[in-house]
Amino acid sequence: SQELEQSPQSLIVQEGKNLTINCTSSKTLYGLYWYKQKYGEGLIFLMMLQKGGEEKSHEKITAKLDEKKQQSSLHITASQPSHAGIYLCGADFWYNAGNMLTFGGGTRLMVKP
Amino acid sequence: KAGVTQTPRYLIKTRGQQVTLSCSPISGHRSVSWYQQTPGQGLQFLFEYFSETQRNKGNFPGRFSGRQFSNSRSEMNVSTLELGDSALYLCASSLGGLPYEQYFGPGTRLTVT
Repeated sequence: SQELEQSPQSLIVQEGKNLTINCTSSKTLYGLYWYKQKYGEGLIFLMMLQKGGEEKSHEKITAKLDEKKQQSSLHITASQPSHAGIYLCGADFWYNAGNMLTFGGGTRLMVKP
Repeated sequence: KAGVTQTPRYLIKTRGQQVTLSCSPISGHRSVSWYQQTPGQGLQFLFEYFSETQRNKGNFPGRFSGRQFSNSRSEMNVSTLELGDSALYLCASSLGGLPYEQYFGPGTRLTVT
C-alpha cells in the first residue's frame, strides 16, 4: 500500500542483535497495528497503538507510535530465530465505517543463528 | 477460546470455475473481514461483514462476493476464476466495534490453473 510504507523491506540480522522496523503513513493515523506472519500462514496480532506517544511491549518486542510524524516503529531486542518472519503494519484510516485495515508491504526478517 | 478457522486450507481450481471459501470467526465476534494476499500486491482488503450486512468493500471486481450467516460464519465466493486470483485468502474476525483489533485465520491457499 502506498498509504503505508514499511522499511526496510527485508532484514538479515545475527542472533542477539537489536533491530528496528519502521512504518510511515501518508495520512493521519487513528490506529496502528503490528502483525507477524510466518510464510504462507495467517497473521498473528502483536500490538495495537492508538495514541500519539503510546508505547507497548510484548516480550522482547516494543512498538511506538509517533502521531506527529505519522510513523510507528517496531523494535526487537536481542533477536532470536523465533523472531523470523514477515512483519506487517496495518492502519485504520478514517474514511470507512467499519473494519478495513490497510497494510504496509511488510518487512521480511531473517535471524541468523 | 478457539481461533478463527478457515476451510479448505488448500484448493486447486481451473480457470472459469467458481470457488467458495469458508470462515468461522472467534466465538462472540460479529465482524468478519476478508483479505487477499499476493506477492505482487501484498495484503488487500476485500470486504467486511457485520451482523450479516456488508459494511465495507475494497476495490475488487464483482466476481468476488461474500455473505455472513446469523451465527457470524462467513463465506466468500469467486466466480469465473482467473489465473490472477491465485492467492492466499485470509479472513479476520473482531468484535466489530472500536478498536478494530482483528484476529486472522490461517488462510486458504487458492491456486488457479
